[in-house]
Amino acid sequence: KNQVEQSPQSLIILEGKNCTLQCNYTVSPFSNLRWYKQDTGRGPVSLTIMTFSENTKSNGRYTATLDADTKQSSLHITASQLSDSASYICVVRLNNDMRFGAGTRLTVKP
Amino acid sequence: NAGVTQTPKFRILKIGQSMTLQCTQDMNHNYMYWYRQDPGMGLKLIYYSVGAGITDKGEVPNGYNVSRSTTEDFPLRLELAAPSQTSVYFCASSYDSLGEKLFFGSGTQLSVL
Repeated sequence: KNQVEQSPQSLIILEGKNCTLQCNYTVSPFSNLRWYKQDTGRGPVSLTIMTFSENTKSNGRYTATLDADTKQSSLHITASQLSDSASYICVVRLNNDMRFGAGTRLTVKP
Repeated sequence: NAGVTQTPKFRILKIGQSMTLQCTQDMNHNYMYWYRQDPGMGLKLIYYSVGAGITDKGEVPNGYNVSRSTTEDFPLRLELAAPSQTSVYFCASSYDSLGEKLFFGSGTQLSVL
């Protein structure tokens, strides 16, 4: 069983709509959590980092939340654009290790 | 800025063949990593290096070897290719400790037939 679970596995939305991606983790001790965006045929690129004390952080149209008590994070995308079509990967950092989620594949259609 | 550069982008190997995946970074990062990405799975760490001359095994090292003779280069060697090694391979680097922001290359898609 993966220690970092992402849902949904895939998602299709229309351009301009909002969506929320989920990341639940069971690993500890928690250090931080990053969301990466991976375009098709490319390597992942960091979007945002959440530390234990942070609840919400925004990066343009992307807003990440973290509930360290329930070990849940979400990535909310507002007013989606075609360029948002990608896989979004949640990565949890432990003290000296990292655990990757399998990702959510987002498709934005015109 | 080049960042992390991987070559080749695609490769088809026959079972038992050998090859080296090249990775170089120009950001003077101490830490470098090799991951494999299989469909429906999270990235798995194969090997990593904390600096020139130092390498260590990750989660799935069997069938692979690495070396780190310089800060810039971190090649991954497959000695006897097997179908189970069909995957997409990513090289990454980070400035300081494990778990810091990773900078990834564009990946190598490898098929072993």
